[in-house]
Amino acid sequence: QVQLVQSGAEVKKPGASVKVSCKVSGYTLTELSMHWVRQAPGKGLEWMGGFDPEDGETIYAQKFQGRVTMTEDTSTDTAYMELSSLRSEDTAVYYCATFQLAVAVSWGQGTLVTVSS
Amino acid sequence: EIVLTQSPGTLSLSPGERATLSCRASQSVSSSYLAWYQQKPGQAPRLLIYGASSRATGIPDRFSGSGSGTDFTLTISRLEPEDFAVYYCQQYGSSPRLTFGGGTKVEIK
Repeated sequence: QVQLVQSGAEVKKPGASVKVSCKVSGYTLTELSMHWVRQAPGKGLEWMGGFDPEDGETIYAQKFQGRVTMTEDTSTDTAYMELSSLRSEDTAVYYCATFQLAVAVSWGQGTLVTVSS
Repeated sequence: EIVLTQSPGTLSLSPGERATLSCRASQSVSSSYLAWYQQKPGQAPRLLIYGASSRATGIPDRFSGSGSGTDFTLTISRLEPEDFAVYYCQQYGSSPRLTFGGGTKVEIK
């Protein structure tokens, strides 16, 4: 059973960056395909990117290209998502999720990122 | 770019009734890569259906999925109080690699 525990809520100013962590237990990170999905207040789910085992690399949604970086520290089984040049529209709950056969089977609890001046 | 359109936006039903949720894709989607999730307020989504019609582990058999090509359906045969939530479909494909539908809220009538 995979468990994903995310870092706590963040408040950032426009233009700043945020880095959210996702600690894996029950499996090692190298066994998993980790993705990130966000959800603005009262809105739907939006895929940001993740590790694609078919390509063997991390892929990003076009909308976030150049602004998002997803990394992994296999020594601590922790995944990270960093989003830069924050704007108010980036206010959302950010989820890490592990994918198997193209579906999200485990989710973190979510991290609220608030962008406000 | 594949766009998933879910309808209706909101479904008002009573416990015990049947719920039928639609997910329409702008281009054909492989049935192997169509999934449904349930999300309750303040919680992360939960996988219900994968491969268009296979129930995930622990999902009651009142939930069923069907469809192919561009039209997919999630059916809840008899609504239980805990089923009132928002439901999302999701596809995995070539470009963009992964998208979600806009969601259908199933609310108590």
